[in-house]
Amino acid sequence: EVQLVESGGGLLQPGGSLRLSCAASGFTVSSNHMSWVRQAPGKGLEWVSVIYSGGSTYYADSVKGQFTISRDNSKNTLYLQMNSLRAEDTAVYYCARIHYYDISGYKGNAFDIWGQGTMVTVSS
Amino acid sequence: SSELTQDPAVSVALGQTVRITCQGDSLRSYFASWYQQKPGQAPVLVMYGKNNRPSGIPDRFSASGSGNTASLTITGAQAEDEADYYCNSRDTSGNHLVFGGGTKLTVL
Repeated sequence: EVQLVESGGGLLQPGGSLRLSCAASGFTVSSNHMSWVRQAPGKGLEWVSVIYSGGSTYYADSVKGQFTISRDNSKNTLYLQMNSLRAEDTAVYYCARIHYYDISGYKGNAFDIWGQGTMVTVSS
Repeated sequence: SSELTQDPAVSVALGQTVRITCQGDSLRSYFASWYQQKPGQAPVLVMYGKNNRPSGIPDRFSASGSGNTASLTITGAQAEDEADYYCNSRDTSGNHLVFGGGTKLTVL
């Protein structure tokens, strides 16, 4: 079964650090494009970061320099290292697989597999 | 531009047709994808590309696009379609991804 399972969320104080994990089954993380998406309480979805199968990484402006996306091929696991956490980073964090496609030269992407999410709460 | 704009809320009578729209400059260059999210659950991909439906998604869902606007249409809305719907695409640089603000669909 194709599945993503996140872990590592919790309650921590402002300025703290946390590493989220996303274990994949049924497919190979390193052969796919993977992403983190977050959702603050009562708010919409916010794209956070992507790591392409080739290893390139990109970040939303709101987390650039603060978060780092990575993967461990031997564990088939995606990670998000979060540093200098602030109250506004409080959210459910989802990992997701991205399917990129090109139809007659017109490109698109689709987050086709999502994890169940892990809650990160930053509060003093 | 990195923004996708959606109407915050839309309502539809049971069994009727509803269109949810998403506007943004990047949609002139990239397809949108659409996600359904029910309370307490992870988002689910319902449509992507020109008009592609993942396995298991009812055929009452369809997608279209023109210019800077993408649309998700539900033909014959059911009570179980009541949810938040998000569009997604890349930004104009092509490297970053972006979600619309979401549309809360109420089925009356």
